[in-house]
Amino acid sequence: GQQLNQSPQSMFIQEGEDVSMNCTSSSIFNTWLWYKQDPGEGPVLLIALYKAGELTSNGRLTAQFGITRKDSFLNISASIPSDVGIYFCAGRNTGNQFYFGTGTSLTVIP
Amino acid sequence: EPEVTQTPSHQVTQMGQEVILRCVPISNHLYFYWYRQILGQKVEFLVSFYNNEISEKSEIFDDQFSVERPDGSNFTLKIRSTKLEDSAMYFCASSDPSEGGYTFGSGTRLTVV
Repeated sequence: GQQLNQSPQSMFIQEGEDVSMNCTSSSIFNTWLWYKQDPGEGPVLLIALYKAGELTSNGRLTAQFGITRKDSFLNISASIPSDVGIYFCAGRNTGNQFYFGTGTSLTVIP
Repeated sequence: EPEVTQTPSHQVTQMGQEVILRCVPISNHLYFYWYRQILGQKVEFLVSFYNNEISEKSEIFDDQFSVERPDGSNFTLKIRSTKLEDSAMYFCASSDPSEGGYTFGSGTRLTVV
């Protein structure tokens, strides 16, 4: 299957700090999605991106669809304890198939 | 808010037994999917289903797996003879391409002993 490399694998940050994570692929995708997963729960969609260069915000979250269509970035500003969880990127190819990244585990220290 | 419903939330089964995981996708969605997530690992694609047939499947989805949409609302994943390595969270998802992303269910935790 297609590989999505997500980094960093884990982050430990102080409450109030900003967070950045990214996802890169060897293939071009038509859609990039960012999900958050809490323990024991299914992934929940945070942001969807549909065009190269697109920058979209959802509250304190901002994500960008890379110009090359092979990468995407997620930023979280002013982190709070409830931001804790695993964040996954996912890319959709022309075959309407989604591939998930390896996840970034975020820990926010109060 | 429409949601994808999965049952049971947790199933324990003996190795070699058959299991059926059930999902009720969002009613107006046309594409259905099964994913699995082994503890601590990423979400892995198993199979996609559209127009009453499998549209794509991964190398994980071997002959032990099958999917079915027995009626207008349910979407099931059957594992014929479970192995220890089948222990994982199994997520159902559905989508309407015009809306973009998937909606995931909350998962079924399958434990094979």
